[in-house]
Amino acid sequence: TQLLEQSPQFLSIQEGENLTVYCNSSSVFSSLQWYRQEPGEGPVLLVTVVTGGEVKKLKRLTFQFGDARKDSSLHITAAQPGDTGLYLCAGVPGRTGTASKLTFGTGTRLQVTL
Amino acid sequence: KAGVTQTPRYLIKTRGQQVTLSCSPISGHRSVSWYQQTPGQGLQFLFEYFSETQRNKGNFPGRFSGRQFSNSRSEMNVSTLELGDSALYLCASSFGHFYEQYFGPGTRLTVT
Repeated sequence: TQLLEQSPQFLSIQEGENLTVYCNSSSVFSSLQWYRQEPGEGPVLLVTVVTGGEVKKLKRLTFQFGDARKDSSLHITAAQPGDTGLYLCAGVPGRTGTASKLTFGTGTRLQVTL
Repeated sequence: KAGVTQTPRYLIKTRGQQVTLSCSPISGHRSVSWYQQTPGQGLQFLFEYFSETQRNKGNFPGRFSGRQFSNSRSEMNVSTLELGDSALYLCASSFGHFYEQYFGPGTRLTVT
């Protein structure tokens, strides 16, 4: 079973601070996705990273896929209250992406206060 | 395009009863997956349907079943409900190689 561990589990910070969320596994993933889920809603896809070492930026969010494609990180610069939510990473196991069962991480709950 | 819709949004059932949840995927998406989300276990994969066939199945008992219709709409059924089945049930549709999931708002099931 491919397991994606996220850290930290919980994070409470003030507006304007920076933070990094990590997603780690001992297995290789052909691609990795990040989602954000707000209370009472389903997760919303933020980004997909495919190539080892790839970095993608989405406004104040920076996503990185590890060189060995076993880990990923999400960095938020100058966090805002609107960033509050549950962040989930999810990976497609295997080297070529032929498996079709997405594996979700354990989640990081972020709260940004004024 | 309209997003993924799920009905009903909230449901209260009694132990032993059965329940059917419905999901309409994004137009053009042929893959529909179902997930159970609880505070203790997180997001767990139930099953995936593609072109009316179950393509993948998670580690859930046989009380959990699903189906997909020719228009890609999907239903999941839970029989003989247990208290532990209380959860947010999420449906997601997908199109493309990277299995990016587009989730609906979920159905909040409470079993009493």
